[in-house]
Amino acid sequence: DVKVTQSSRYLVKRTGEKVFLECVQDMDHENMFWYRQDPGLGLRLIYFSYDVKMKEKGDIPEGYSVSREKKERFSLILESASTNQTSMYLCASTPGIGGRRGYEQYFGPGTRLTVT
Amino acid sequence: RKEVEQDPGPFNVPEGATVAFNCTYSNSASQSFFWYRQDCRKEPKLLMSVYSSGNEDGRFTAQLNRASQYISLLIRDSKLSDSATYLCVVNRIGFKTIFGAGTRLFVKA
Repeated sequence: DVKVTQSSRYLVKRTGEKVFLECVQDMDHENMFWYRQDPGLGLRLIYFSYDVKMKEKGDIPEGYSVSREKKERFSLILESASTNQTSMYLCASTPGIGGRRGYEQYFGPGTRLTVT
Repeated sequence: RKEVEQDPGPFNVPEGATVAFNCTYSNSASQSFFWYRQDCRKEPKLLMSVYSSGNEDGRFTAQLNRASQYISLLIRDSKLSDSATYLCVVNRIGFKTIFGAGTRLFVKA
């Protein structure tokens, strides 16, 4: 079974703090993703990475950065947390192999971040 | 207009009922299509891929209509355990993934 783990299930931070969310996958997947999920808006893609040190912006990258120094680890960084970044953050990975299976996403359990 | 649109529901159905969800997408270059299931306070999990010819997995049937740009999911003989949010997912070229906001299903005894 693919396992995707996230560093924290719940996190409370203050406005202006720098926040690190860590994600690790153990199946040698090529691609990793960070989403946020808000009621009524669904999952929105923040950033994704298709290789070590490679990254691409998703649909809502403003206020976030990412780091992928090793294949199994993908970090999301909130440079200066704001209250509108209070959300559920979900990490996912995909095999990246050819064909439909390459797109199947495996999610971590999520981190519920509250910024006060 | 959202790139992937779903009826948010909720759909309230009795056990044993058949229920269908639709999803429309706006980008005609979309390549791959999926249905995910998300239980309350849990992460999404892949339910099934959607193939052009239609495909079935037990009580679940998925259909794709590329000409009309919609995807459907049919659940037959609903169980209490089917209660969840069902997410329609579309992949653009290059692994970018767009999720619909989800359709909530409640199956009642």
